[in-house]
Amino acid sequence: EAQVTQNPRYLITVTGKKLTVTCSQNMNHEYMSWYRQDPGLGLRQIYYSMNVEVTDKGDVPEGYKVSRKEKRNFPLILESPSPNQTSLYFCASSLGAGAGETQYFGPGTRLLVL
Amino acid sequence: KQEVTQIPAALSVPEGENLVLNCSFTDSAIYNLQWFRQDPGKGLTSLLLIQSSQREQTSGRLNASLDKSSGRSTLYIAASQPGDSATYLCAVRGTGRRALTFGSGTRLQVQP
Repeated sequence: EAQVTQNPRYLITVTGKKLTVTCSQNMNHEYMSWYRQDPGLGLRQIYYSMNVEVTDKGDVPEGYKVSRKEKRNFPLILESPSPNQTSLYFCASSLGAGAGETQYFGPGTRLLVL
Repeated sequence: KQEVTQIPAALSVPEGENLVLNCSFTDSAIYNLQWFRQDPGKGLTSLLLIQSSQREQTSGRLNASLDKSSGRSTLYIAASQPGDSATYLCAVRGTGRRALTFGSGTRLQVQP
């Protein structure tokens, strides 16, 4: 089944404790991205990747890191999480970045930073 | 900066009604527009994608139209069913940008 998977789905952590949220897709997609969803602010892009070893900042990259060492995986790293990073995170992928390319979203990771 | 607005924020209708969800955007220089469905505790499911050169797309009971010049899109749902209850999100991708800009969504409740 074609899908985008994220792990963990739920995470409670404390301020400053490094964490990684994994994202994997099995559709051989080149384009991957991370979004966060907050009440009243909607979904906003954090980082994106056009292909292996090619990443760039989205609209709200502060406090996050990403890497793209393999085509299928695009982990999101919070080096020193803070309470304002409490949010619902989504990973997305698409075959490319063309006008006709539908983006597929993972199930989301709900993060609480205490 | 692109802004996307969805009206209404919430909608409750009886089963069987035809309904229209509205989406407006401030910058008409878009690459495409997508409608998504989001169910509680789940991710986003793409419903329809309209490229900037297209006027509408249809899938089953869903029809989405795009008027780029006026910055508007509508999602028409025919013969609504309780299973259509979800939040519907509109997202646009601007030219030269990779990111989608999302609206805040319309929360739809279809009463049996």
